[in-house]
Amino acid sequence: DAGITQSPRHKVTETGTPVTLRCHQTENHRYMYWYRQDPGHGLRLIHYSYGVKDTDKGEVSDGYSVSRSKTEDFLLTLESATSSQTSVYFCAISVRAGDYTDTQYFGPGTRLTVL
Amino acid sequence: DAKTTQPNSMESNEEEPVHLPCNHSTISGTDYIHWYRQLPSQGPEYVIHGLTSNVNNRMASLAIAEDRKSSTLILHRATLRDAAVYYCILVAQGAQKLVFGQGTRLTINP
Repeated sequence: DAGITQSPRHKVTETGTPVTLRCHQTENHRYMYWYRQDPGHGLRLIHYSYGVKDTDKGEVSDGYSVSRSKTEDFLLTLESATSSQTSVYFCAISVRAGDYTDTQYFGPGTRLTVL
Repeated sequence: DAKTTQPNSMESNEEEPVHLPCNHSTISGTDYIHWYRQLPSQGPEYVIHGLTSNVNNRMASLAIAEDRKSSTLILHRATLRDAAVYYCILVAQGAQKLVFGQGTRLTINP
């Protein structure tokens, strides 16, 4: 257990409303990630962070923004939610495995439904 | 990113060993082979990783072919709790991102 929590765990919202998902970690890891998972697409990287205020885009970043003002929190914002953003969102952190590679540990996920 | 090929699905019986194959013919010398699994309604979970030598941990074993173009995840004695989607992912040395494919859906019969 890498001490990762996500909130909320479930959310239903309407098209056009802003939504913020929170990922919180307790172990001071430098790298944090946001993924989405949809049927038929597997997990896809949205954004990731390599430190406070340091973020970069992933494979499917359009329509999403992120912020990391503290090491422990990584926020994912949908500025104006669309139905295509209905998905399960997973947060992850990266841990050095002891050799020249890192392993990732995932949170429990947030199920977001945009009506 | 180097690509992996896995069977879409496999089925096995409880308390029997399971061998999950992964082909990665375009692997480069510094690519690590990582395995993750995702139980129903949960986030992915790290299982094991290796570079050249076979690896064992409390969850599984990883057998890597001598030419590194394929690998096999071995669950020594499957339980119903091992039913999950298993992902084989190549990760370049020092890389910080994972690219998930479709994985293998493993079904365990009681």
